[in-house]
Amino acid sequence: QQQVKQSPQSLIVQKGGISIINCAYENTAFDYFPWYQQFPGKGPALLIAIRPDVSEKKEGRFTISFNKSAKQFSLHIMDSQPGDSATYFCAAIPNRDDKIIFGKGTRLHILP
Amino acid sequence: ETGVTQSPTHLIKTRGQQVTLRCSSQSGHNTVSWYQQALGQGPQFIFQYYREEENGRGNFPPRFSGLQFPNYSSELNVNALELDDSALYLCASSSGLTNTGELFFGEGSRLTVL
Repeated sequence: QQQVKQSPQSLIVQKGGISIINCAYENTAFDYFPWYQQFPGKGPALLIAIRPDVSEKKEGRFTISFNKSAKQFSLHIMDSQPGDSATYFCAAIPNRDDKIIFGKGTRLHILP
Repeated sequence: ETGVTQSPTHLIKTRGQQVTLRCSSQSGHNTVSWYQQALGQGPQFIFQYYREEENGRGNFPPRFSGLQFPNYSSELNVNALELDDSALYLCASSSGLTNTGELFFGEGSRLTVL
């Protein structure tokens, strides 16, 4: 069964620090790797996404690093702010498919 | 432009009952996907509807069924409810089938089965 494994389960970071969330996948037949941000009481929202032929993508304070040979990818949040406190999900989209396979999520808390 | 709206927001049912959840897709979107999010877990794909036809289904039993209407709104029906069906049910809409992960999620319907 296709899986995406995410760690850590929870993370506390000081304001201004770097938050790092890691994910690994077990199947090579994935087309796209999105990250989602979910605030309490809300649905997930697409944050940033990367294709497997790209090693890094940056959007503002958010960066995805992708290691295809290791089947790992990570989200870095630079200069973390209290407003970044949320649950983050990594995900993978299989080839020629329309479902999204989510990791179990990381609850991030940024200390003011 | 309105976003994805879901109803009801919360509901409580007992085992064996049936439930219908509703979703209005974002304006201009013709694809609706449904996900189940258990407490502390990531969303799990139930199925997707594109132009009123089912287009892909996850690992859920047949008692989970759905519909999409000509205005692209959608329903999720669950029969013979079980305790494990307690979860947040998320509807997401998108434009077409090119899945780059750009789904617009509603706030969900939280179902509790007693």
